[in-house]
Amino acid sequence: GESVGLHLPTLSVQEGDNSIINCAYSNSASDYFIWYKQESGKGPQFIIDIRSNMDKRQGQRVTVLLNKTVKHLSLQIAATQPGDSAVYFCAEKGNDMRFGAGTRLTVKP
Amino acid sequence: DSGVTQTPKHLITATGQRVTLRCSPRSGDLSVYWYQQSLDQGLQFLIQYYNGEERAKGNILERFSAQQFPDLHSELNLSSLELGDSALYFCASSVSPGNNSPLHFGNGTRLTVT
Repeated sequence: GESVGLHLPTLSVQEGDNSIINCAYSNSASDYFIWYKQESGKGPQFIIDIRSNMDKRQGQRVTVLLNKTVKHLSLQIAATQPGDSAVYFCAEKGNDMRFGAGTRLTVKP
Repeated sequence: DSGVTQTPKHLITATGQRVTLRCSPRSGDLSVYWYQQSLDQGLQFLIQYYNGEERAKGNILERFSAQQFPDLHSELNLSSLELGDSALYFCASSVSPGNNSPLHFGNGTRLTVT
């Protein structure tokens, strides 16, 4: 069946470095994608979204890239900070929203 | 603060029992979603409502049911509870079920079945 998945379950980076979190999706009909951040004990928090008619979208310190050819989504975090430590989920939205397993980002001081 | 309110925050109950989880969506949001998250797992979609009507159904067990009321709040009912039902249950809301509307999540209800 269709699924949304992530390449890596964990990612550890040094404070101040850039982080890249990847996501593969399999439903070629999906036209809207979202990245969420989930901190311990909290619900997922919306970070940034992108529609399928775009390749790139930038927010504050975050950039999402969409490659429809290979059905790949990535989240780039610039100058990663300790507060960025969390689990990051990508999701694709159609009639409902399906999430991948998540990548745990750990930022080392 | 996402504006989505879930109660209770924690719930401990025994196997075989029945519980009700409650969700109040963000002001103005018409669509409500329920998700289950087991320990260190992803979010499993259970069910979605839009303006009081069931819109989509995911991996929701027959022992589970939900509804959305005229004031748009929603309840998730879990019955004949089993140990494996222990998880975080999240509610999310969005303006509409359209493709370009992000979900906003509450902080969840942690259910422990003993």
